[in-house]
Amino acid sequence: SQQGEEDPQALSIQEGENATMNCSYKTSINNLQWYRQNSGRGLVHLILIRSNEREKHSGRLRVTLDTSKKSSSLLITASRAADTASYFCATPRTSNTGKLIFGQGTTLQVKP
Amino acid sequence: GAGVSQSPRYKVAKRGQDVALRCDPISGHVSLFWYQQALGQGPEFLTYFQNEAQLDKSGLPSDRFFAERPEGSVSTLKIQRTQQEDSAVYLCASSPDGLAYNEQFFGPGTRLTVL
Repeated sequence: SQQGEEDPQALSIQEGENATMNCSYKTSINNLQWYRQNSGRGLVHLILIRSNEREKHSGRLRVTLDTSKKSSSLLITASRAADTASYFCATPRTSNTGKLIFGQGTTLQVKP
Repeated sequence: GAGVSQSPRYKVAKRGQDVALRCDPISGHVSLFWYQQALGQGPEFLTYFQNEAQLDKSGLPSDRFFAERPEGSVSTLKIQRTQQEDSAVYLCASSPDGLAYNEQFFGPGTRLTVL
């Protein structure tokens, strides 16, 4: 079963614009992670934000977390064609396994 | 260093055949996960190993699915009597220790097509 829901499902922007993706989840979390998946490739970890953090930056990425609303957002600034990919939020199940529960993803297309 | 590798990258099977998918995690990683990703969906958890112990197999969809990691490194996911609904990308991931909340390092996946 999917934990989270991302919106939008698909996003198309021009190179240089900013892209914002949102994720909502259902249960309490220890952290929330964002992953990128290029066509035909595995998932690459982008950023992890802990439940006691509200905002985190990594290069052109900015992630926010609102635990009261059970939601997170991923902002990619000054997008590039190479950012074209699917983006997933994931939360580890609060158990001793840490299995990740993924959302359905946002497909981002950045046009050159 | 080498990342997580999986083989084969692509597998076509006739319905009813058995298949075996291999995962080589990052050397020394304690935790290993298998996920199944249907087209257009996010990955869904199948099973988890901590070293050689299979601690969680709650995501395996049926008893046709079996996974092992006998020496605590390489893992194999076996699917018996494949069905068309088994067609998906099978992703393997590893993480350095047994802590539950770390990031996971994913392999490129094996795309299984069952005809």
